[in-house]
Amino acid sequence: AQTVTQSQPEMSVQEAETVTLSCTYDTSESDYYLFWYKQPPSRQMILVIRQEAYKQQNATENRFSVNFQKAAKSFSLKISDSQLGDAAMYFCAYRSVTTTSGTYKYIFGTGTRLKVLA
Amino acid sequence: DAMVIQNPRYQVTQFGKPVTLSCSQTLNHNVMYWYQQKSSQAPKLLFHYYDKDFNNEADTPDNFQSRRPNTSFCFLDIRSPGLGDAAMYLCATSRGRQETQYFGPGTRLLVL
Repeated sequence: AQTVTQSQPEMSVQEAETVTLSCTYDTSESDYYLFWYKQPPSRQMILVIRQEAYKQQNATENRFSVNFQKAAKSFSLKISDSQLGDAAMYFCAYRSVTTTSGTYKYIFGTGTRLKVLA
Repeated sequence: DAMVIQNPRYQVTQFGKPVTLSCSQTLNHNVMYWYQQKSSQAPKLLFHYYDKDFNNEADTPDNFQSRRPNTSFCFLDIRSPGLGDAAMYLCATSRGRQETQYFGPGTRLLVL
């Protein structure tokens, strides 16, 4: 069974600095998707960045980038030039491409709470 | 603006009293999902609809049912809520199963 692990329950970063959130996963599949979602306090979850496993190039989205290490099953998120609005819970998620018994696997990690210090 | 709407935002029910949570979308997406998120835990997928095709996760309790009468609406029915069902329930949509999911703001359910 697939698992997603976020080993940092909480992280802090100074405004304008860079922070990296860790995520590791376990799967026997060769093709899949990985996501980082952001959930601000009392607000809805939104997609930050997405990575297809078959792509070797790391995804980037403005100040957000990932370090995808497929062999190590690692998928970390780097936030550059941190802003106060980046404070949120960040979830790493795994999405299978192929089905097993007709169901798709969409698995979230337990989240990392990011605090941004002014 | 196209969006995912969940009503109500907060729901209080009594132990054993059936409750229905609602989700609507203006994105015209094919897929709608229901997640349960307990405090300080990861969201857990309960089930999803691809159009009218219902897909239940293997470990979703029978106490949880869902209905999708049309593309725009999807309902989560909890037949006999227990104290352990108190959680945030998140609805999400995507154009296809492999597309990005868009989440609603969630409904926080309290069971007394």
